[in-house]
Amino acid sequence: QVTLRESGPVLVRPTETLTLTCTVSGFSLNHAKMGVSWIRQPPGKALEWLAHIFSNDEKFYNTSLKSRLTISEDTSKRQVVLTMTNMDPVDTATYSCARIRWLPNSIPFDYWGQGILVTVSS
Amino acid sequence: DIQMTQSPSSLAASVGDRVTITCRASQSISRYLSWYHHKLGKAPRLLIYAASSLQSGVPSRFSGSGSGTEFTLTINSLQPEDFGTYFCQQSYSTSSFTFGPGTKVDVK
Repeated sequence: QVTLRESGPVLVRPTETLTLTCTVSGFSLNHAKMGVSWIRQPPGKALEWLAHIFSNDEKFYNTSLKSRLTISEDTSKRQVVLTMTNMDPVDTATYSCARIRWLPNSIPFDYWGQGILVTVSS
Repeated sequence: DIQMTQSPSSLAASVGDRVTITCRASQSISRYLSWYHHKLGKAPRLLIYAASSLQSGVPSRFSGSGSGTEFTLTINSLQPEDFGTYFCQQSYSTSSFTFGPGTKVDVK
């Protein structure tokens, strides 16, 4: 059974760095046809893709947030970690991780975590 | 970045209705289009990938079509569990995935 579970702080102060962990089970982070993404959704707004990492350690970032984001993985711990620096109240959102799967003509997010609501406030 | 739009932004429908949602890309994305269903408090669920392929376990009342820049999700005979928000997502650009803004399906 494939599962992803997000963990991290639910409250961060402005200017602080957010560190979120996605712990996966049911699949290997070394699988050639898979990867993990981080996605967020501010309250009442649309989903926004943040970053993803593939099994070959290739990493991609949302261009508008690239300077603030770092994605990494620890395959032995089955974890993917996202850090976002210089947090601001506009970064308040539900942050989710999702598995990416390479399929013919598609690279969908086929499994998602429940998400974690992170509030940025002083 | 490839921009995605959806229409309508919301609709009201009754159980048994046929519902159609459109998604457009700012440039051709071939068939690299997926559809998801999201209900508040739950993880999004993949419905359709590669524009028209039904994800395993998804009821056959869901179908997708299109290629290039215009895509459609159709729900035949809407069921009570189908209410919520539907959004599309392009994966043509592997360095930058983008989502549509979503279509909220409410009870009429």
